[in-house]
Amino acid sequence: AQSVTQLGSHVSVSEGALVLLRCNYSSSVPPYLFWYVQYPNQGLQLLLKYTSAATLVKGINGFEAEFKKSETSFHLTKPSAHMSDAAEYFCAVYNSNSGYALNFGKGTSLLVTP
Amino acid sequence: EAQVTQNPRYLITVTGKKLTVTCSQNMNHEYMSWYRQDPGLGLRQIYYSMNVEVTDKGDVPEGYKVSRKEKRNFPLILESPSPNQTSLYFCASSFSGRGSGELFFGEGSRLTVL
Repeated sequence: AQSVTQLGSHVSVSEGALVLLRCNYSSSVPPYLFWYVQYPNQGLQLLLKYTSAATLVKGINGFEAEFKKSETSFHLTKPSAHMSDAAEYFCAVYNSNSGYALNFGKGTSLLVTP
Repeated sequence: EAQVTQNPRYLITVTGKKLTVTCSQNMNHEYMSWYRQDPGLGLRQIYYSMNVEVTDKGDVPEGYKVSRKEKRNFPLILESPSPNQTSLYFCASSFSGRGSGELFFGEGSRLTVL
């Protein structure tokens, strides 16, 4: 079954610094990959998704992710962190084998310091 | 406004007292799903439904029931809640549940079982 692994449960960056959240996937078929964001006391919101159309995917709020097949990675980046980016971020892969669900990583909590 | 609505948002109950968490979506989505979110475990799928009267188990279905009598509603039923079901629950919906379709999430229902 397809799965994702997020490296680092907590990431801390300074305001204005580069944000890099890591996600590696495991899939025997070309995957559909997603990044979701969860702000405090809210549900998950789609940031961006990869569906094989382009390897560099741009999302909302200035985030982007690059699909690298050779590295089985789909890392999320943002050039300059803002205080409002503090949230929980989840990488997910479409699971066609079970429940037509998204299989989520365990999440990375992003802290942005002044 | 397109949305997934869950109720209640917060609930404290006692072991064995049956409860229902309601979920309703206004987007005419065929696919609906329930997830639970626990610290360090990410989101895990409980049950899903591909359409009216079509439901199936996800990864962690024990202790839960669901029904899909109408397209817009997908309630989660805990017949005899236990403390290990203390969690944050999310309902989600998607147009078809397959491939690259975005999942839309409710704001979550925080359940505490004493």
